[in-house]
Amino acid sequence: DTGVSQDPRHKITKRGQNVTFRCDPISEHNRLYWYRQTLGQGPEFLTYFQNEAQLEKSRLLSDRFSAERPKGSFSTLEIQRTEQGDSAMYLCASSLGLAQYNEQFFGPGTRLTVL
Amino acid sequence: AQSVTQLGSHVSVSEGALVLLRCNYSSSVPPYLFWYVQYPNQGLQLLLKYTTGATLVKGINGFEAEFKKSETSFHLTKPSAHMSDAAEYFCAVSDFWGDTGNQFYFGTGTSLTVIP
Repeated sequence: DTGVSQDPRHKITKRGQNVTFRCDPISEHNRLYWYRQTLGQGPEFLTYFQNEAQLEKSRLLSDRFSAERPKGSFSTLEIQRTEQGDSAMYLCASSLGLAQYNEQFFGPGTRLTVL
Repeated sequence: AQSVTQLGSHVSVSEGALVLLRCNYSSSVPPYLFWYVQYPNQGLQLLLKYTTGATLVKGINGFEAEFKKSETSFHLTKPSAHMSDAAEYFCAVSDFWGDTGNQFYFGTGTSLTVIP
């Protein structure tokens, strides 16, 4: 068990460019979450997968954002036509099981800077 | 929707002193409550959680928290601060959508500084 990993750890892009982040959850974890964290704030929920199905999306997830989890393993989060307001830390978490109190294990995050 | 309020964005304590980080929540249903710690350039790590049962919950690194329903609070404490406790601490409440999953609502965090 190597924990949740995210790639890249840092991404600097110019406004208007597309970016894609990858998250590898702990193996066999059926649930995968994406959060966004801005400076001085706690993580804010973006979206959630149970296996390969995307079951919930936050209002924060505009049409420029899309997430996938093919085959219920790794997940990707793509941001199209990036804006400066997208600059943030993007966190991925995974959990096992169906209980509402199951611990979410977090990755180290991808820090996005949009110039 | 649930919400979490962490009073004090920055807390400083002397090494060996009591650590008290405050967390209040709003919830229309019995909540599941969590404290996470985030060290620089690392992901969030679970300190402890309250689900049901005993209201005093013990976690890792000597931390504990007490669930007080009447006060809608879940404050985090540690009797004696250590330099290694310096980090960002987040309180979270878990909401759920029936059988389809759960969403964590996080507070804005409290940065703990430990003074030698």
